[in-house]
Amino acid sequence: KAGVTQTPRYLIKTRGQQVTLSCSPISGHRSVSWYQQTPGQGLQFLFEYFSETQRNKGNFPGRFSGRQFSNSRSEMNVSTLELGDSALYLCASSLGDLGDEQYFGPGTRLTVT
Amino acid sequence: DQQVKQNSPSLSVQEGRISILNCDYTNSMFDYFLWYKKYPAEGPTFLISISSIKDKNEDGRFTVFLNKSAKHLSLHIVPSQPGDSAVYFCAASAGSPTGTYKYIFGTGTRLKVLA
Repeated sequence: KAGVTQTPRYLIKTRGQQVTLSCSPISGHRSVSWYQQTPGQGLQFLFEYFSETQRNKGNFPGRFSGRQFSNSRSEMNVSTLELGDSALYLCASSLGDLGDEQYFGPGTRLTVT
Repeated sequence: DQQVKQNSPSLSVQEGRISILNCDYTNSMFDYFLWYKKYPAEGPTFLISISSIKDKNEDGRFTVFLNKSAKHLSLHIVPSQPGDSAVYFCAASAGSPTGTYKYIFGTGTRLKVLA
């Protein structure tokens, strides 16, 4: 079974630009969660999508948004990029029930200059 | 407010000895806990989990202990191997009446197993 894939793996953007990251979950998984990892902050939950609906949301500003398509693939968008948005963005897929193991992708390393 | 805390950013252990990674949480509603391991340039991989109805779960060299009264869980690795060198994250989750949940992760502990 293919794992979770994320594209692109690396991205460099300048302040004020916007960016879209993509995540393809494991086949059959309906839940996709997004996390931001920065040094010293661990993995911070952004949001979770399940069956094309945002089911959970973390404490990030509205510049961070996402969506999920009917094939469960998900995109995350960050508008008006700030230097502090530089991070590793990870997505994880699961079947979608509490206690289900989340499988993580390799992440997208975003650098904002 | 960090609801899940891993107060040791790093830990060094000799090969063959026990590694103990600790995690504290503040939300008494958390009822499911997981440990993930992360190598550089890779996403975290699931290691072991425990639900709040148990106080111990074992899987090979990995054992997770949960002390609900202290709001503390720990991961024991015995014996430690050089390949265990990685960053370990603990995560906690609470179910809700609507069936939704989210995982709250700690900041991670970098384990180095010395050969």
